[in-house]
Amino acid sequence: RKEVEQDPGPFNVPEGATVAFNCTYSNSASQSFFWYRQDCRKEPKLLMSVYSSGNEDGRFTAQLNRASQYISLLIRDSKLSDSATYLCVVKGSGTYKYIFGTGTRLKVLA
Amino acid sequence: GAGVSQSPSNKVTEKGKDVELRCDPISGHTALYWYRQSLGQGLEFLIYFQGNSAPDKSGLPSDRFSAERTGGSVSTLTIQRTQQEDSAVYLCAGRGTGENLYNEQFFGPGTRLTVL
Repeated sequence: RKEVEQDPGPFNVPEGATVAFNCTYSNSASQSFFWYRQDCRKEPKLLMSVYSSGNEDGRFTAQLNRASQYISLLIRDSKLSDSATYLCVVKGSGTYKYIFGTGTRLKVLA
Repeated sequence: GAGVSQSPSNKVTEKGKDVELRCDPISGHTALYWYRQSLGQGLEFLIYFQGNSAPDKSGLPSDRFSAERTGGSVSTLTIQRTQQEDSAVYLCAGRGTGENLYNEQFFGPGTRLTVL
């Protein structure tokens, strides 16, 4: 089993739709969680960190469920510019290693 | 510039040749990572540098791979006797110090390596 698993997609959604991605992780001692965005042929960039109580940044909402060991990303009112690959990233306690999922590809259609 | 830079942006080489990839992180970022990303794959950890500590080389796939970081700043990743399976995008990332659990990694634009 991979340490971090994501549905690769692609998720094809119309503009204005709400879309959600899940990511599961295997190490229950994981402590820090992130969503990164990667555009085609570009480097990953931090979209948002995921805090225990959940957090929101504009149209984006991230949730953490430690009991079930998954994190989620909800995008409301999708824009064409949201089209990208979304990488789930997990960092363990007391370690400097970041474990990346293979990413979920989103295509927002006009 | 203020961001992470990498060079070259693209490198095409013949099988068996050596290549050297360079990363220049953001000033003050003492932690530096190298990753490899193959088509459709996640980022694969290669090596980690932190200040003057011994690097964690546990992710290097073979002894053909080596990396160094001079003066706690610029890092070079060297691949000797390249093989076709080495073709990938090589990304470096820097991170600030401190005990913040949510320290962000800042990535460079990557070097796209193609081994013919």
